[in-house]
Amino acid sequence: DAEITQSPRHKITETGRQVTLACHQTWNHNNMFWYRQDLGHGLRLIHYSYGVQDTNKGEVSDGYSVSRSNTEDLPLTLESAASSQTSVYFCASSDLAGGHEQYFGPGTRLTVT
Amino acid sequence: AQSVTQPDIHITVSEGASLELRCNYSYGATPYLFWYVQSPGQGLQLLLKYFSGDTLVQGIKGFEAEFKRSQSSFNLRKPSVHWSDAAEYFCAVGVFGTGTASKLTFGTGTRLQVTL
Repeated sequence: DAEITQSPRHKITETGRQVTLACHQTWNHNNMFWYRQDLGHGLRLIHYSYGVQDTNKGEVSDGYSVSRSNTEDLPLTLESAASSQTSVYFCASSDLAGGHEQYFGPGTRLTVT
Repeated sequence: AQSVTQPDIHITVSEGASLELRCNYSYGATPYLFWYVQSPGQGLQLLLKYFSGDTLVQGIKGFEAEFKRSQSSFNLRKPSVHWSDAAEYFCAVGVFGTGTASKLTFGTGTRLQVTL
């Protein structure tokens, strides 16, 4: 069955370190998204991609970057982790054929100490 | 810019009672609307979506939602709640870009507690 996976599921890191969160989907979807979920804010869009070599900034992109070298993967990098980036991160994918329904991964809980 | 408001942060209902979760949106064009459910420690799962046509939409797990353009609302309903429905519920509005992609703007969520 097609799926979307995230790794690691839990990560503790120190302030100032570079961290990369992985997202892998086997839906063959063109569109991929990264969100962060914080209490009282719901889900906020960090970055998104409409296809290979395409990346776009979302509403809370400062301090984050993504790259899309193939259809299946959209890794999220925190260049220099800050305590404000402690959050739960979700990856999602979608395409036109699926009616734009976004399929979500299980999430990565990141703690920056 | 589009926005979604879920005015109820937390709702408690008894098992077997009816449920209505409120969602109001702000968007200049015809919206594409979604309801997602998130169980503890899990990702989000789509309950239902509205693109066009019949304003009453049926979803999974016995949920339905009604699009009311005049009220800018897309409230989620269920006639009889089960204990397993306890979760967090998110309303979202879709913004379609050029080509095929859609970004979603989410509300802040409503946490549903079900008492036995």
